[in-house]
Amino acid sequence: NAGVMQNPRHLVRRRGQEARLRCSPMKGHSHVYWYRQLPEEGLKFMVYLQKENIIDESGMPKERFSAEFPKEGPSILRIQQVVRGDSAAYFCASSPREGLSSYNEQFFGPGTRLTVL
Amino acid sequence: AQTVTQSQPEMSVQEAETVTLSCTYDTSESDYYLFWYKQPPSRQMILVIRQEAYKQQNATENRFSVNFQKAAKSFSLKISDSQLGDAAMYFCALFGNEKLTFGTGTRLTIIP
Repeated sequence: NAGVMQNPRHLVRRRGQEARLRCSPMKGHSHVYWYRQLPEEGLKFMVYLQKENIIDESGMPKERFSAEFPKEGPSILRIQQVVRGDSAAYFCASSPREGLSSYNEQFFGPGTRLTVL
Repeated sequence: AQTVTQSQPEMSVQEAETVTLSCTYDTSESDYYLFWYKQPPSRQMILVIRQEAYKQQNATENRFSVNFQKAAKSFSLKISDSQLGDAAMYFCALFGNEKLTFGTGTRLTIIP
């Protein structure tokens, strides 16, 4: 069973361009989380999705950032008109079912390191 | 809101010795879970150990153990017989309200 896959692993964009980050969850996992790690900081929650639904986007910046998890295909984190402050590592994690009142382990991908020039 | 605080940005330990990393947290959830993650230079997040808040017994995984003090909202990680491969960033994390909240991390250096 392959782990969580993210691509690309490294992405370089110039200011004003768009960045699209992809996350393929583990087989059988229908829930995806995105986290951002700024240099020398911990991971910060961005968004929690299940297929075709955004469950919690309380950590997403209000502008330029969007996320989706379609019925078919990977989850996409999209950053429009990137700025230098968007440079960070973006991690995706997947879990097999809703958290409800108990925890379902989140399995992390290797991350995508975005560099904005 | 839930918060996780790691007050030790850096720690070092002699190989084969024991080191303890500190973590405190705050949450209004009654049902939550606590974790320690290791992040080596590869940046892969590796789960080291987990603790269910409703369990009084401290979790143990081989050389890794925790001291969970629920009333004090404290969750420290003890690494025994430190090895060179333990060198990494260590993050304390809390799962509550369906999301993980991470501390700022402790960089652990192992001195040969």
